[in-house]
Amino acid sequence: NAGVTQTPKFQVLKTGQSMTLQCAQDMNHNSMYWYRQDPGMGLRLIYYSASEGTTDKGEVPNGYNVSRLNKREFSLRLESAAPSQTSVYFCASSEGASYNEQFFGPGTRLTVL
Amino acid sequence: KQEVTQIPAALSVPEGENLVLNCSFTDSAIYNLQWFRQDPGKGLTSLLLIQSSQREQTSGRLNASLDKSSGRSTLYIAASQPGDSATYLCAVRGGSYIPTFGRGTSLIVHP
Repeated sequence: NAGVTQTPKFQVLKTGQSMTLQCAQDMNHNSMYWYRQDPGMGLRLIYYSASEGTTDKGEVPNGYNVSRLNKREFSLRLESAAPSQTSVYFCASSEGASYNEQFFGPGTRLTVL
Repeated sequence: KQEVTQIPAALSVPEGENLVLNCSFTDSAIYNLQWFRQDPGKGLTSLLLIQSSQREQTSGRLNASLDKSSGRSTLYIAASQPGDSATYLCAVRGGSYIPTFGRGTSLIVHP
């Protein structure tokens, strides 16, 4: 099992460009999450999907959109990147939304110039 | 709003010491608390998950306890090794489904 995979590993964008971060899990989990990690701020939830077909905003959703493509895949889109979106982005999954252990991907390091 | 605090922010100990990392949270209405390890430039690795009905969980040299009423959890690492050097994070999950993370304790175990 690969667990949670993310692509790309690194990305540099110019202000105003768009891109999609991809995440996939092979653990048959129902719930998936997108976080960003910034120095001094800790991990903050951007969006989550409690089950296939549903998505909900987290703590910092502005400037992002998500798509739960199927049970395995959950993508994060930046429509018009801003320097404030420079961060490390992590995808995670869990069997259920409340009681279950979260498993994290390796992260995507994004720099917006 | 749930707030999670981890003390100390950084810790440096000699190899072989037993050590305790602390995690406190403000709202005791939680489903569970999870401890993670993060190596530099890497993702988070799950260490232990404690459900709200449990008092502790053990895995190898790690033991995590939970006192929901006082809003505290501790991660005990026995006989620390240089390979334990990493940042340790705790996350609390409550009724909103949104996990709240602490900012972590950066641990260095020197030979």
